[in-house]
Amino acid sequence: AQSVTQLGSHVSVSEGALVLLRCNYSSSVPPYLFWYVQYPNQGLQLLLKYTTGATLVKGINGFEAEFKKSETSFHLTKPSAHMSDAAEYFCAVSEGKAAGNKLTFGGGTRVLVKP
Amino acid sequence: DSGVTQTPKHLITATGQRVTLRCSPRSGDLSVYWYQQSLDQGLQFLIQYYNGEERAKGNILERFSAQQFPDLHSELNLSSLELGDSALYFCASSIGTANVGYTFGSGTRLTVV
Repeated sequence: AQSVTQLGSHVSVSEGALVLLRCNYSSSVPPYLFWYVQYPNQGLQLLLKYTTGATLVKGINGFEAEFKKSETSFHLTKPSAHMSDAAEYFCAVSEGKAAGNKLTFGGGTRVLVKP
Repeated sequence: DSGVTQTPKHLITATGQRVTLRCSPRSGDLSVYWYQQSLDQGLQFLIQYYNGEERAKGNILERFSAQQFPDLHSELNLSSLELGDSALYFCASSIGTANVGYTFGSGTRLTVV
């Protein structure tokens, strides 16, 4: 069974500082991994995804994530936080067609950006 | 606008009632997924349809049912509503059955009073 753990339900960063959101997963097969962002009163927007190939994945809004199989991790980073990055971020894993392509989400990390 | 349309945006209803949530997928997408987001359970997968057929089932209660119609829109029916069913219900769509990431709608916020 697939599962996702996001360390830290809340993260506070200063504008211009590094954003680091941690995600560890469990999967019985090579996983597909995703990061989504949810702004208040909105749906989830795909930031980036890892399926196969290059383990460093670049997404929208300057975010990137690195798949580390040995650590079963897929941490999300952004070098310099902007006020507009304040949102909730969800890491998700999928085991593909074998699991019906369902996404299993972590509990989310709410990011606060201080001026 | 993600291209996935959910109606209504808000719904307030009483316990014991039945409601229907509607989702129109992004143009060209054949798969529709339903998710429930609540404070205590987080984001939970409910059910997936592909081109009118049920493909996968998650933690969907027996009081809940869904279907996908020939025009590919989907409806989620929730009956005998309880206070605990209050949540955000999201629909998402994708082109096929390969998981390249879904496109989510903006959700229906259901409040059961």
